[in-house]
Amino acid sequence: QKEVEQNSGPLSVPEGAIASLNCTYSDRGSQSFFWYRQYSGKSPELIMSIYSNGDKEDGRFTAQLNKASQYVSLLIRDSQPSDSATYLCAVKIGNQFYFGTGTSLTVIP
Amino acid sequence: DTGVSQDPRHKITKRGQNVTFRCDPISEHNRLYWYRQTLGQGPEFLTYFQNEAQLEKSRLLSDRFSAERPKGSFSTLEIQRTEQGDSAMYLCASRNEEGTGANVLTFGAGSRLTVL
Repeated sequence: QKEVEQNSGPLSVPEGAIASLNCTYSDRGSQSFFWYRQYSGKSPELIMSIYSNGDKEDGRFTAQLNKASQYVSLLIRDSQPSDSATYLCAVKIGNQFYFGTGTSLTVIP
Repeated sequence: DTGVSQDPRHKITKRGQNVTFRCDPISEHNRLYWYRQTLGQGPEFLTYFQNEAQLEKSRLLSDRFSAERPKGSFSTLEIQRTEQGDSAMYLCASRNEEGTGANVLTFGAGSRLTVL
């Protein structure tokens, strides 16, 4: 079983809609969770981190963590064409960071 | 602070040749990671340094791969006798050990390897 599982998509949403990205993880001991955005041909950049159950909001982005269900999600409100990218879910276990395969998001103008 | 720097950005080589990539982490970061990423996949862990000590190596890191961080600053990743399956983006990332940024991995732009 992989440490992090993501639906690879592709996910398409119209401009202005809410994009919902999901991720599950296998290690119940995981304490730190991250969402990275990766534009085509570029390296990943951190957009959100979350460490405790519940929601964490940062501008148009909301990360949600449910440790009981081992589930992390990212909501992007008022999606913009510039949000079109691959979104990588990552989990820190010890000193290691494990990444999912990423979900490709396209925001249609 | 110029972020994490990687060199070269692109490398095209013939099968069987050796290649070396260099990574300069953010200066105050004592932890340095190497990942490999192929098309449609997430970054896969290769190896990890704390200062100059190589603490973990993935089973993906065959004996053709070697990494060093001799003075706890820059790191090199060498691939010997390259194979076409080595074609990938090699990403370096670094982080602090303590403080608010302790859990934040900062990636370099990557070194793209193409093996012909």
